Amino acid sequence: AQKITQTQPGMFVQEKEAVTLDCTYDTSDPSYGLFWYKQPSSGEMIFLIYQGSYDQQNATEGRYSLNFQKARKSANLVISASQLGDSAMYFCASSGYSTLTFGKGTMLLVSP
Amino acid sequence: DAGVIQSPRHEVTEMGQEVTLRCKPISGHNSLFWYRQTMMRGLELLIYFNNNVPIDDSGMPEDRFSAKMPNASFSTLKIQPSEPRDSAVYFCASRPTGEENTIYFGEGSWLTVV
Repeated sequence: AQKITQTQPGMFVQEKEAVTLDCTYDTSDPSYGLFWYKQPSSGEMIFLIYQGSYDQQNATEGRYSLNFQKARKSANLVISASQLGDSAMYFCASSGYSTLTFGKGTMLLVSP
Repeated sequence: DAGVIQSPRHEVTEMGQEVTLRCKPISGHNSLFWYRQTMMRGLELLIYFNNNVPIDDSGMPEDRFSAKMPNASFSTLKIQPSEPRDSAVYFCASRPTGEENTIYFGEGSWLTVV
């Protein structure tokens, strides 16, 4: 069984600043993946970034990076240079042999 | 390339009616997932198919819910009879076998049962 914990219900950040969204996970699978998705107010689920449990380096995708600390079972998302369009719900998820298990999400609001 | 296609995008129905949600996965994707999203419970996996075979349906709430995947390009999620507590956004997602780092979601079907 897998469990994802996102402890921040909401986060506020000013435009152009960096923000870190927290995620911790618990899994018994020896091999797993960690995902972050963005859900804007329009409702679609947008894939942002993926980290495999055996990847040595932290994943990066443009302004998104995943701070993977395996011993601490954390997979925090870092968004650099926040933009107004980053305002959305952000979900952390883990996958083991098959399915994705999601956290409850963090609402990010970016102010001008 | 076309993504995961879901229909209808929005549905409002009366309690007791049958609801059928449809999903066309991305061509070549062997795994298909149905998720439900509510404010109270977040995103929950309902059922997972691999090569058209249901692998894990432990998330299906009760007998009122059923899902089928008659072929690789089509799946349905049926609720009969529907109840107000079924109101939610239902997402379909697909993934190619062997590519664990890519799971693509459809735009969701917004269901309201009154």
